[in-house]
Amino acid sequence: EAQVTQNPRYLITVTGKKLTVTCSQNMNHEYMSWYRQDPGLGLRQIYYSMNVEVTDKGDVPEGYKVSRKEKRNFPLILESPSPNQTSLYFCASSLVFGTAFTEAFFGQGTRLTVV
Amino acid sequence: GQSLEQPSEVTAVEGAIVQINCTYQTSGFYGLSWYQQHDGGAPTFLSYNGLDGLEETGRFSSFLSRSDSYGYLLLQELQMKDSASYFCAVNRDDKIIFGKGTRLHILP
Repeated sequence: EAQVTQNPRYLITVTGKKLTVTCSQNMNHEYMSWYRQDPGLGLRQIYYSMNVEVTDKGDVPEGYKVSRKEKRNFPLILESPSPNQTSLYFCASSLVFGTAFTEAFFGQGTRLTVV
Repeated sequence: GQSLEQPSEVTAVEGAIVQINCTYQTSGFYGLSWYQQHDGGAPTFLSYNGLDGLEETGRFSSFLSRSDSYGYLLLQELQMKDSASYFCAVNRDDKIIFGKGTRLHILP
């Protein structure tokens, strides 16, 4: 089954404690991306990756890091989480992006609470 | 820059037709797409318009006018399960930019 898998689904952590949210896709997609969703603000892009070892900032990258060492995996790293990073996070993937459109497939989301 | 505008909420009656509009301002544009998100769920792809005109997929249709920087999602024969949030999104260069979403309420 084609899917994007995020882990964990729920996470409560304390300020400053480094955490990683994993994302894996089994569709051989080049493009992967992270979004955060907050009430009234829609989906805002954090980081994206066009391919292995190619990453770039989205609209709200501050406080986040990503890596793309393998095509299937795109972890989101919060080195020193703060309460304003409490949010619902989604990972998404699609085939090569650009002039050729493909739909984005989303993971089930990770609800993060930073206290 | 780029921005998308869509109504925050729309209410309709079961069995009726509803249209959700989306206007965008962006330079460089490769198409308008629509996603559905139920409460507690992930966004799922509904439709895409790369060229002007109407695209139909079952009860859902989507329209694009690039000259007007405008599109809409049309939902026909509304069912209670269509209660969800709907997002328009533009594909620009190597980004997907989402609108803030429209919450669709359906009355029995």
